[in-house]
Amino acid sequence: EAGVTQFPSHSVIEKGQTVTLRCDPISGHDNLYWYRRVMGKEIKFLLHFVKESKQDESGMPNNRFLAERTGGTYSTLKVQPAELEDSGVYFCASSQDNPSGLAGIPPRETQYFGPGTRLLVL
Amino acid sequence: GENVEQHPSTLSVQEGDSAVIKCTYSDSASNYFPWYKQELGKRPQLIIDIRSNVGEKKDQRIAVTLNKTAKHFSLHITETQPEDSAVYFCAAKTGGFKTIFGAGTRLFVKA
Repeated sequence: EAGVTQFPSHSVIEKGQTVTLRCDPISGHDNLYWYRRVMGKEIKFLLHFVKESKQDESGMPNNRFLAERTGGTYSTLKVQPAELEDSGVYFCASSQDNPSGLAGIPPRETQYFGPGTRLLVL
Repeated sequence: GENVEQHPSTLSVQEGDSAVIKCTYSDSASNYFPWYKQELGKRPQLIIDIRSNVGEKKDQRIAVTLNKTAKHFSLHITETQPEDSAVYFCAAKTGGFKTIFGAGTRLFVKA
């Protein structure tokens, strides 16, 4: 089974520019999450999709961040315009919808992470 | 708001010794507590998890304990090996799907 993939792996942009990050979850995973880790700090929740719907976007820092998941498959996270404080590693994670924890299937809480996109805003 | 405190931020142990990482959470409705290991240059990976109806869980050399009354949980690694060196994150899932992570513990296992 292919894991969660993210593109690009690294991005260096100047303040004021736009960057779009992409996440491809594990096939069949309805739940998709975006997180950000700033150097030395916690992995901070940004938002959660269930299929194409935003379930919880309480962690989005401000309106410069826009996340989409058209069709309920891959997701994009756009930062426009980027600021210095947006630098960090952006992780995507996905999980199945298995509320009962059926035998042989990880429960819905088990999140599988992508390798992250390292964003540097200069 | 919800938060998870993790200590220590850095831990250095001799190979073969035990390592303990402690976390506290603020939301009493939290019901699921995963631990992730992130090796250098790799993605965070789930190593063990525990639910709020269980006090302890063990998987070979790693174990996790949960004290719901005190709202803290701990990761125990016994007989540490150099390949255990990594950043470890604790997390707590609140009533919905939101997962709050700690700041991470960088573990060094010296050979």
